[in-house]
Amino acid sequence: GAVVSQHPSRVICKSGTSVKIECRSLDFQATTMFWYRQFPKQSLMLMATSNEGSKATYEQGVEKDKFLINHASLTLSTLTVTSAHPEDSSFYICSATRIDTQYFGPGTRLTVL
Amino acid sequence: AQTVTQSQPEMSVQEAETVTLSCTYDTSESDYYLFWYKQPPSRQMILVIRQEAYKQQNATENRFSVNFQKAAKSFSLKISDSQLGDAAMYFCAYRSPSNQFYFGTGTSLTVIP
Repeated sequence: GAVVSQHPSRVICKSGTSVKIECRSLDFQATTMFWYRQFPKQSLMLMATSNEGSKATYEQGVEKDKFLINHASLTLSTLTVTSAHPEDSSFYICSATRIDTQYFGPGTRLTVL
Repeated sequence: AQTVTQSQPEMSVQEAETVTLSCTYDTSESDYYLFWYKQPPSRQMILVIRQEAYKQQNATENRFSVNFQKAAKSFSLKISDSQLGDAAMYFCAYRSPSNQFYFGTGTSLTVIP
């Protein structure tokens, strides 16, 4: 149990376009999901906390207008990178909380050309 | 503020031997959770083990066990009978009573055949 899926696993897009990443908890309901960004050989950097039915809470320095988060249901949260630029290229990971533990999706590799 | 420190950026172990990864944390709370996550080259974060702070007994999951020293705020991970598949980045994580998670910087474990 406690499986989290993330789609797509890889995406390549042109600069200026928008990209949507989906995060789903497959076998449990998650009132809270998290979005992370991870640079090579580094730890996870929390971008925002997504709560079902309310606005996401963004970490300091994360542009909320650039990284749009929607948590419309108890099993789905989406991250949209708007007007993507090469510096947004990274590995994005979502997680969902079940009881007291975070379970992670497999991540999305975003490359912006 | 809560912090999680992993003082060993890299560790290595011979196959079938035992290795211990260190983690210390800082908190003023008494009720919290601690975790070890594994991130293999696939970059999928996998839960290895969790420990509730109110439990004195150290958590164990097959070859993985922890040494939880609450007073010292120490939470080390012991891997017994190391296998090649144990090679990965290992992250220590702390969960606060308010459901905030903090991750360490990670320890890269190499298993030598």
